[in-house]
Amino acid sequence: ETGVTQSPTHLIKTRGQQVTLRCSSQSGHNTVSWYQQALGQGPQFIFQYYREEENGRGNFPPRFSGLQFPNYSSELNVNALELDDSALYLCASRPDRGQETQYFGPGTRLLVL
Amino acid sequence: QQQVKQSPQSLIVQKGGIPIINCAYENTAFDYFPWYQQFPGKGPALLIAIRPDVSEKKEGRFTISFNKSAKQFSLHIMDSQPGDSATYFCAASRYAGNQFYFGTGTSLTVIP
Repeated sequence: ETGVTQSPTHLIKTRGQQVTLRCSSQSGHNTVSWYQQALGQGPQFIFQYYREEENGRGNFPPRFSGLQFPNYSSELNVNALELDDSALYLCASRPDRGQETQYFGPGTRLLVL
Repeated sequence: QQQVKQSPQSLIVQKGGIPIINCAYENTAFDYFPWYQQFPGKGPALLIAIRPDVSEKKEGRFTISFNKSAKQFSLHIMDSQPGDSATYFCAASRYAGNQFYFGTGTSLTVIP
């Protein structure tokens, strides 16, 4: 086990709704990244947070937003859900942004109808 | 644009065989190349990683071969076992970079 947990494990939403996904990192891990993994594809980088500030973003629109908290938990928020947002959402944490080894959680599977 | 291209999409080998998964990249700024293993219902787990200053790295039954001039790297699994059946992803990033670029994955099945 990586020590990274995510909730919920599964979620069903309808188009246009908003969703919040949660991640709990290992204690001491100051960096958390979020990825979207569509079925049959590799993870796509959404953004990264370091010490509660966003410090990198992939090719995702502003309706994807996040928060990181001092207790090593974080959130991914997605507004105005679209059908194409259906995917497995993964968070990954690491002790510092300069360290390459990142530890993934099991993911949240989101289905948008 | 896919930053890291991975092949094959799927692979079936007999127990004891040596599956080989290949990846290619374009961005010469990449200098960290990890491989991840993912089982159904789990997140990816780091298997082995290499930097471009070496051409080969071995950890247990897993070997990465790296060809800097060709901008290609590959994963070899020696003496493959049914428990190795999983999806494998290659990835690339810049040193201390904040973004990892993943390949599209290879579904490996090892037949007993």
